[in-house]
Amino acid sequence: DAGVTQSPTHLIKTRGQQVTLRCSPKSGHDTVSWYQQALGQGPQFIFQYYEEEERQRGNFPDRFSGHQFPNYSSELNVNALLLGDSALYLCASSTTGQGNSPLHFGNGTRLTVT
Amino acid sequence: RKEVEQDPGPFNVPEGATVAFNCTYSNSASQSFFWYRQDCRKEPKLLMSVYSSGNEDGRFTAQLNRASQYISLLIRDSKLSDSATYLCAVNGGTGFQKLVFGTGTRLLVSP
Repeated sequence: DAGVTQSPTHLIKTRGQQVTLRCSPKSGHDTVSWYQQALGQGPQFIFQYYEEEERQRGNFPDRFSGHQFPNYSSELNVNALLLGDSALYLCASSTTGQGNSPLHFGNGTRLTVT
Repeated sequence: RKEVEQDPGPFNVPEGATVAFNCTYSNSASQSFFWYRQDCRKEPKLLMSVYSSGNEDGRFTAQLNRASQYISLLIRDSKLSDSATYLCAVNGGTGFQKLVFGTGTRLLVSP
């Protein structure tokens, strides 16, 4: 049973470009959360998707948007990339209703903006 | 004040040593607590959940002090393979699985 899978593994973009990252949740999970981890920092919550809607959002600008598909997979889109968007982007899936359960992360996508 | 705070370290210890990390949190409504381990350039991996009564998993012991709002991780008999960054994470108490992480504590175990 595959866990959370993310693609691509690495990505290099130029400032001002747009990027789309993808996440497939673990089988049986219906909720996807995205985190950004800058170098030397802990992961920071971007947003969470459930039933194809954004349910919660962290302190990130509107340049960060997402989508969840009927099969529960999700995309994270970042527009107008800034150098500061360079980070490891992590996806975690879970089951709504198990609010105190830990999160298990995918391998992440390392985004470099030049 | 940050929601979750950790000493970034690094903690340099010899093999076989015992080392302890603390993590403080500011939201008294927090419901659940975790320690994650992160190797360089990899994703965080769950090390253990932290329960009110304290819990142990082999050489690792986690404690929760709700009154003082901190959690701790004790590693006994340190191994070279324990070298990593240890992140504490707190569920913000919103009813959703939204984790707030500390910046992590780096541990270096030397021969």
